[in-house]
Amino acid sequence: AQSVTQLGSHVSVSEGALVLLRCNYSSSVPPYLFWYVQYPNQGLQLLLKYTSAATLVKGINGFEAEFKKSETSFHLTKPSAHMSDAAEYFCAVSPYSSASKIIFGSGTRLSIRP
Amino acid sequence: EAGVAQSPRYKIIEKRQSVAFWCNPISGHATLYWYQQILGQGPKLLIQFQNNGVVDDSQLPKDRFSAERLKGVDSTLKIQPAKLEDSAVYLCASSLDRTGWDGYTFGSGTRLTVV
Repeated sequence: AQSVTQLGSHVSVSEGALVLLRCNYSSSVPPYLFWYVQYPNQGLQLLLKYTSAATLVKGINGFEAEFKKSETSFHLTKPSAHMSDAAEYFCAVSPYSSASKIIFGSGTRLSIRP
Repeated sequence: EAGVAQSPRYKIIEKRQSVAFWCNPISGHATLYWYQQILGQGPKLLIQFQNNGVVDDSQLPKDRFSAERLKGVDSTLKIQPAKLEDSAVYLCASSLDRTGWDGYTFGSGTRLTVV
């Protein structure tokens, strides 16, 4: 069965610092991987997705993630944090098959210190 | 384009009462999903519709939860009777095709509190 594990339920960084949110996946077949962001009292918004093309994926708001098969990881990064990045971030996986569904991790809350 | 509409935004009920949530997906999106998000956890899929047919309801507690999408457009999720552990945000999402690999579009959710 496919699953994702997000390391760290809460990450705090200073404004302007590097953001690194960790995600490891478990899948018996090459998966599709996603990062979603959830701002307070809102639904989830797609940040970026990996669908077996380029291993380095660029998303919205300056975020990017790199698919590393050898490490079964799909960590999310941003070079310089902004106050507006404070939100909950979810890594998600979907198996590469026709009858798929997206399975979400437990989330990482990102706080930005002034 | 209009987003995924959900109502109500908030609902407080007593245990053993019934409640219903409504979702209108993005026009043209064939696939509709209901997720349950308990505080501090990631969303968990309850049911997936393709047009008006159920694709996956394996994690729907069918003794108390029901959902329908009669005309293949909007959908209703019902809980009867509600339990305290049903307190959560119920998210509706839609996607253009069955795979959802282009990403889901989520509504803002309905926050249910069962007291």
